[in-house]
Amino acid sequence: DAGITQSPRHKVTETGTPVTLRCHQTENHRYMYWYRQDPGHGLRLIHYSYGVKDTDKGEVSDGYSVSRSKTEDFLLTLESATSSQTSVYFCAARGHDASPLHFGNGTRLTVT
Amino acid sequence: SQQGEEDPQALSIQEGENATMNCSYKTSINNLQWYRQNSGRGLVHLILIRSNEREKHSGRLRVTLDTSKKSSSLLITASRAADTASYFCATDAGVETSGSRLTFGEGTQLTVNP
Repeated sequence: DAGITQSPRHKVTETGTPVTLRCHQTENHRYMYWYRQDPGHGLRLIHYSYGVKDTDKGEVSDGYSVSRSKTEDFLLTLESATSSQTSVYFCAARGHDASPLHFGNGTRLTVT
Repeated sequence: SQQGEEDPQALSIQEGENATMNCSYKTSINNLQWYRQNSGRGLVHLILIRSNEREKHSGRLRVTLDTSKKSSSLLITASRAADTASYFCATDAGVETSGSRLTFGEGTQLTVNP
């Protein structure tokens, strides 16, 4: 989607290493989200942000942390990657409550 | 657990036929949204229907919402091979209830055969 950029697009890392995924948006959206997508589970919310330095947990937040120091950037950190965190991670953003989400193209993370 | 559940999980039809996908949810919502995902890409918003609306149209898409049954359906008319994708419903319970979260179902994989 125009305006939402995720980096890296692909990453392979080893168990126990820290990993940071970045989401950058250019539309000045207030709300930002991190989801993971796995077969049989659809999209599950990890963490979300409702403003700079304002974040909250989603349904699968264990093992993940987030930071939002600027409106445009939302970082997702895996403190110590595990094989169960192998997944496709999607960032999304929206300008206000009750509006549609705009998604990035995802980051495919493999933890070996 | 997922708020929205799509049915069927997979659907295969011929070009020109209509495709209907259903979504059920469990709690009260502010609005319900449908998204499409092509393989290897992010989700793209298709249509949003508010809790006080019963039906909405956008091009070849028709969405219905029955809040008494906690269900919604997405109809794609005159399908094309390019409609092949996964389709997801997402429920939005509103800021006061869920803090601006959207909850997604597992999706319906639609295949349109030429």
